[in-house]
Amino acid sequence: ILNVEQSPQSLHVQEGDSTNFTCSFPSSNFYALHWYRWETAKSPEALFVMTLNGDEKKKGRISATLNTKEGYSYLYIKGSQPEDSATYLCASRNAGGTSYGKLTFGQGTILTVHP
Amino acid sequence: DVKVTQSSRYLVKRTGEKVFLECVQDMDHENMFWYRQDPGLGLRLIYFSYDVKMKEKGDIPEGYSVSREKKERFSLILESASTNQTSMYLCASSAGGIFNEQFFGPGTRLTVL
Repeated sequence: ILNVEQSPQSLHVQEGDSTNFTCSFPSSNFYALHWYRWETAKSPEALFVMTLNGDEKKKGRISATLNTKEGYSYLYIKGSQPEDSATYLCASRNAGGTSYGKLTFGQGTILTVHP
Repeated sequence: DVKVTQSSRYLVKRTGEKVFLECVQDMDHENMFWYRQDPGLGLRLIYFSYDVKMKEKGDIPEGYSVSREKKERFSLILESASTNQTSMYLCASSAGGIFNEQFFGPGTRLTVL
């Protein structure tokens, strides 16, 4: 079983603060890194799928970077709003065995943005 | 919009019962997945399927089986429910290929008494 780690486990920020969190993943046999946002009482929804070293993706105030050589990705939120409160999950897809199509998820970072 | 639906949002069963969790997707996706989510552990893959009648074990398949008779439907079966299977169960689907995002259902919170 691959090891995907996220830090911190939880984060409390004030509205307007910018924040970032980390996902570390195995760099060997790497295919792709996914970020998902999971709001309470809703389904997880995809934010980004990143594949290339140095990739940077942006969606509104949220952006992500990828370093496949050292096995980490950062997610940034600029000017956090209360509606950004959610659990942010990363998941790594690595080759190996019969693991076609298999993602390994980290344990998530719970973000709470206080008004 | 892609839609993944699960048969129940909340389910309460007794130890030893056979439990069926149903998942249906409407986007003709080849791949379907069953995960469970427990506090502090993230999403853990139970089983997945990349085609009708095909299945592959995930990281924690013990105590579970699956069935995929039609492309749009993927069922998770707990042959004899136990209290340690109390959890949130999430179904997901994705198009074929290794770079496609997964689309998730709303989850079923199963309690086994």
